Amino acid sequence: GQQVMQIPQYQHVQEGEDFTTYCNSSTTLSNIQWYKQRPGGHPVFLIQLVKSGEVKKQKRLTFQFGEAKKNSSLHITATQTTDVGTYFCARNTGKLIFGQGTTLQVKP
Amino acid sequence: NAGVTQTPKFRILKIGQSMTLQCTQDMNHNYMYWYRQDPGMGLKLIYYSVGAGITDKGEVPNGYNVSRSTTEDFPLRLELAAPSQTSVYFCASSLESSYNSPLHFGNGTRLTVT
Repeated sequence: GQQVMQIPQYQHVQEGEDFTTYCNSSTTLSNIQWYKQRPGGHPVFLIQLVKSGEVKKQKRLTFQFGEAKKNSSLHITATQTTDVGTYFCARNTGKLIFGQGTTLQVKP
Repeated sequence: NAGVTQTPKFRILKIGQSMTLQCTQDMNHNYMYWYRQDPGMGLKLIYYSVGAGITDKGEVPNGYNVSRSTTEDFPLRLELAAPSQTSVYFCASSLESSYNSPLHFGNGTRLTVT
């Protein structure tokens, strides 16, 4: 189907450790968006990736789009407690189809 | 701007009851969406609208209805509520297609059907 698969489903890290979540599709993605949802909150847009091999950075967050446009990743360097939440990728077909998310817990 | 406003925040329904979840946005966005989120899961698209008078089905439309009589409002109607509809419902809007515009989400409505 049109689903995107995210791994891992959960990740617990010590504050200061790095974190990566992966988003994989069996079909080529036209573009992909990433959102963050804090516990009890609503999803908030982080970034959109469009070009093959694209890499974008937002402070400690690095987003990559695979060369084949079938996968994407979000890497957080030196996690902080404010990074806690669920990170979703969403394939963009003119409407967004979300992955199941990766929930990040950070131990202070 | 208030952004995307959803009411109510919480609601408990009995099986078979009906209700309307309200969603309004003041950003003059053309596109509006309804998603549901089950515990520990991603968001599933129920219905969406590309403009007033136009609606279309998403991934999980069964048991729901929508209307879009104005640009600002996009209510979601549940007829004959079932326990499977217990979920958190998010309304969202975007200026243009999601190809060009990010989605702005409301704070959600937590619905329990017992």
